[in-house]
Amino acid sequence: GAVVSQHPSRVICKSGTSVKIECRSLDFQATTMFWYRQFPKKSLMLMATSNEGSKATYEQGVEKDKFLINHASLTLSTLTVTSAHPEDSSFYICSARPRQGEMRGANVLTFGAGSRLTVL
Amino acid sequence: SQKIEQNSEALNIQEGKTATLTCNYTNYSPAYLQWYRQDPGRGPVFLLLIRENEKEKRKERLKVTFDTTLKQSLFHITASQPADSATYLCALGGSYGQNFVFGPGTRLSVLP
Repeated sequence: GAVVSQHPSRVICKSGTSVKIECRSLDFQATTMFWYRQFPKKSLMLMATSNEGSKATYEQGVEKDKFLINHASLTLSTLTVTSAHPEDSSFYICSARPRQGEMRGANVLTFGAGSRLTVL
Repeated sequence: SQKIEQNSEALNIQEGKTATLTCNYTNYSPAYLQWYRQDPGRGPVFLLLIRENEKEKRKERLKVTFDTTLKQSLFHITASQPADSATYLCALGGSYGQNFVFGPGTRLSVLP
């Protein structure tokens, strides 16, 4: 089955530093990857849609200079939280959708396990 | 704007009973609807997909119905077990290329 690996699962950093989170599709090619943020006991909040080889599309209210997204290959997307502050502490989750026609269907998202970011 | 509601934020039921979760939506005509399960501190896991032209889908103890007239999906877990305790999210999708829209989720607790 489809597997998405997200790394690191937990990261603690000091205020002002930058943190990079990786999202890899292990056994399929993902032309589209999504990045979400989730607060405790709340639903997924879509931050941006990442398409391989092009600029990410950010949702309203999400600062693109703050949350840098790179989708350099069909199996890897990265989210960098720049100059992190305590209010950026959250659970970040990525998901990937396979290319149309590949695998069981491009209509199913496979999620990573999430990354818990704590900014001190 | 598109809106998705799930019947309640939290639902408690007794082990062995059938859990029924509701997903209602407005201002959307999805081509399909999905249900995901999310455990605390983990990413969601896909459970079932039902297309707009399908009324019902089953998978083991799970059953999903989709009524495009009522704009509603029901998600049933029969013979529920404590291990079924999790948050369940519904998600709507259009044609390929359109983003999914997730509901707020229902936190299900199955009590022994």
